[in-house]
Amino acid sequence: EPEVTQTPSHQVTQMGQEVILRCVPISNHLYFYWYRQILGQKVEFLVSFYNNEISEKSEIFDDQFSVERPDGSNFTLKIRSTKLEDSAMYFCASSNRVLGEKLFFGSGTQLSVL
Amino acid sequence: AQTVTQSQPEMSVQEAETVTLSCTYDTSENNYYLFWYKQPPSRQMILVIRQEAYKQQNATENRFSVNFQKAAKSFSLKISDSQLGDTAMYFCASSTRTGANSKLTFGKGITLSVRP
Repeated sequence: EPEVTQTPSHQVTQMGQEVILRCVPISNHLYFYWYRQILGQKVEFLVSFYNNEISEKSEIFDDQFSVERPDGSNFTLKIRSTKLEDSAMYFCASSNRVLGEKLFFGSGTQLSVL
Repeated sequence: AQTVTQSQPEMSVQEAETVTLSCTYDTSENNYYLFWYKQPPSRQMILVIRQEAYKQQNATENRFSVNFQKAAKSFSLKISDSQLGDTAMYFCASSTRTGANSKLTFGKGITLSVRP
């Protein structure tokens, strides 16, 4: 089965530093997402992306966050100035259709902000 | 806005027995989908089963089946012949279309332990 690939699997950074989390969605998928899961809590929607622009973002996704699809295969999440509360598992996901289609999740990037 | 509620934080079941995980949801949408995702200790999110809200027939995938009660907005997951590998966190989720995309709203999850 095709896979969504996320790198790195773990990222440790100092508070205030910028981080870029990388994802390679499944090649024929058109819809891309980032979700976040703080340890012990539920998975939360951050942002959706289609046709090279953000479709929707949650209130978590403030000005410190940005997403980009720089080269037609990668899909990145940038956090400009990390805070302690940004420590979480970040999941990238992609799908081929808008509604009801199975979301393929990557294996996640565990971000630890010290 | 959608909400998904999983009120049981954890459950335990003997291997080979059957267990039911509860979920309720609230939505004003007519067209939506419901999902159960499994998250083992590796923390990967794995789709277990999917239900289309406009279909009355309950979805089934091998040992996994759902009891979808649309009027009651209830969507429970039944795991038959539980196996040790079923030990994981299980999340109920609903999906609706928002603009050009769809968005999953997750419940808080339930930790299922299968005892040998």
